[in-house]
Amino acid sequence: AQKVTQAQTEISVVEKEDVTLDCVYETRDTTYYLFWYKQPPSGELVFLIRRNSFDEQNEISGRYSWNFQKSTSSFNFTITASQVVDSAVYFCALLTTDSWGKFQFGAGTQVVVTP
Amino acid sequence: NAGVTQTPKFRILKIGQSMTLQCTQDMNHNYMYWYRQDPGMGLKLIYYSVGAGITDKGEVPNGYNVSRSTTEDFPLRLELAAPSQTSVYFCASSYGTSGSLNEQFFGPGTRLTVL
Repeated sequence: AQKVTQAQTEISVVEKEDVTLDCVYETRDTTYYLFWYKQPPSGELVFLIRRNSFDEQNEISGRYSWNFQKSTSSFNFTITASQVVDSAVYFCALLTTDSWGKFQFGAGTQVVVTP
Repeated sequence: NAGVTQTPKFRILKIGQSMTLQCTQDMNHNYMYWYRQDPGMGLKLIYYSVGAGITDKGEVPNGYNVSRSTTEDFPLRLELAAPSQTSVYFCASSYGTSGSLNEQFFGPGTRLTVL
């Protein structure tokens, strides 16, 4: 069985603060994919990043960075110097070869950035 | 490219009525999905398809039916609508093979209320 846990329901920060979103996953598969999506107040879902289980290299893209650690089954996401436009719900998702095609989404973390 | 389009954007149904949510993608993706998102919750997979003529159940298929006669279209049918089906419905598509599955592209969603 696969499972994604986003324990943080809501995080509130003041603009320019950093914010880290936690994602912990469970799977017995050795081959799997992890994703982060953003859902702004307008409601659409926007893809941010994809990682496969063989690539533990962390990544930085502008103000976004991701920390993938297989040892702790975590795929955390950090927004540096947050901005009001970062206010959104962020979802972590898991796809495994055992359940191919069945993306498992976490419950999401609401990020509120105030000026 | 229009990406993934969904119609209608909003709909109010009475209990017991039926309707079809339309979804079309123009990216030649072989995988297509239907999710529902209840207020303040994450995404739950209803049905998915790995190609024309092939569909499979997701986490919450009861009360819904799908068909996939073409690569582009993946309609979702609600029979005998119930208040529990009040939700936002997202269609998504992605490209995949037996060994790799890319990120999903989502439609704008359909907000359905059953009264």
